[in-house]
Amino acid sequence: EAQVTQNPRYLITVTGKKLTVTCSQNMNHEYMSWYRQDPGLGLRQIYYSMNVEVTDKGDVPEGYKVSRKEKRNFPLILESPSPNQTSLYFCASSLVGTGRTPLHFGNGTRLTVT
Amino acid sequence: SQELEQSPQSLIVQEGKNLTINCTSSKTLYGLYWYKQKYGEGLIFLMMLQKGGEEKSHEKITAKLDEKKQQSSLHITASQPSHAGIYLCGADFGQGGKLIFGQGTELSVKP
Repeated sequence: EAQVTQNPRYLITVTGKKLTVTCSQNMNHEYMSWYRQDPGLGLRQIYYSMNVEVTDKGDVPEGYKVSRKEKRNFPLILESPSPNQTSLYFCASSLVGTGRTPLHFGNGTRLTVT
Repeated sequence: SQELEQSPQSLIVQEGKNLTINCTSSKTLYGLYWYKQKYGEGLIFLMMLQKGGEEKSHEKITAKLDEKKQQSSLHITASQPSHAGIYLCGADFGQGGKLIFGQGTELSVKP
């Protein structure tokens, strides 16, 4: 089944403890992206990648890192999480770029930082 | 993001009624997506529009992009409880890989 898989679905951690949220797609998509969703603020783009080894900042990149060493994987790294990073995170992928092919979303990762 | 405004923010309709959700931008859109989300869950792709004047339908949901490619509307005919959820529009403004989403419209359908 074609899908975007995020892990874990739920994560509770403490301030400062490094964590990684994994994202994998099995559709051979070139484009991948991370979003966070917060009440009243909607979906905001954190980072995106147009292809392997190419990553760019979205609207809210502070406090996050990403890497794209393989086409299928696009992990989101929080080196030193803080409570303001408590949010619902979504990974998404698309065949090519944006605006030309549908964006497929994972089921989300709900992160709580205490 | 203020670059993409959705209206209304929330909507309560009686089952069987028609409704329209709007997504407006001050800039030209290169591509416009519509998604549906159940609260706290993933986003389900509904439709993608690219050309001015383009209109697409799926079951009882119709989406249209205006000729100037700055506004899109999503119309649901004869609403059902299964249509309830949050509807989001997302747009590509031709800024490489950046995609902007509206704040969403929360739809409730009363039986």
